[in-house]
Amino acid sequence: GAGVSQSPSNKVTEKGKDVELRCDPISGHTALYWYRQRLGQGLEFLIYFQGNSAPDKSGLPSDRFSAERTGESVSTLTIQRTQQEDSAVYLCASSFGDNYSNQPQHFGDGTRLSIL
Amino acid sequence: AQSVAQPEDQVNVAEGNPLTVKCTYSVSGNPYLFWYVQYPNRGLQFLLKYITGDNLVKGSYGFEAEFNKSQTSFHLKKPSALVSDSALYFCAVREGSGYSTLTFGKGTMLLVSP
Repeated sequence: GAGVSQSPSNKVTEKGKDVELRCDPISGHTALYWYRQRLGQGLEFLIYFQGNSAPDKSGLPSDRFSAERTGESVSTLTIQRTQQEDSAVYLCASSFGDNYSNQPQHFGDGTRLSIL
Repeated sequence: AQSVAQPEDQVNVAEGNPLTVKCTYSVSGNPYLFWYVQYPNRGLQFLLKYITGDNLVKGSYGFEAEFNKSQTSFHLKKPSALVSDSALYFCAVREGSGYSTLTFGKGTMLLVSP
């Protein structure tokens, strides 16, 4: 399909372990976003990529969280030393243009992360 | 700072009746406004947007929304609800000039009964 693809769809891990979440955006989309969605909450912005650069990392909750993007395509979100409060659905979105444009974001189905 | 309020956690409507899901916003400049829908275990799906121009915006699946600048509202509407419209609906806003991220409301669960 031509949509945003995220993997894994579900991840269960023990507290203290590191996890890596992957996002494949729609081909040609230069902007890429990561969000966190906790149960019963709206979406919490984490980080924005334009190409391979991240002009806005202001939403990353702590230094345990990091993200990178390569080839103006795939992005990975890494959470080190996971804590139970990291349990959430992590959503990736991509769009044409940059964050100044009015283009809608297209979302993947998310990775459901559960920390035991 | 920009913000979005969706005052109803849940909206119940009978199939065939009109539906409204409410959204109010706050931005310092002109708003870009969006509605998204989320089905269980899925990502958000874009429904419609207001950028400029006509205050009544039409989108996917028969949904429409009306931008009201004086009331800072952008309510989602549909003339005749379907059971398949049952889902979680999110309103989102960002400032139309300069850099800002998209701010989402907490979502409204729409339940359409047969």
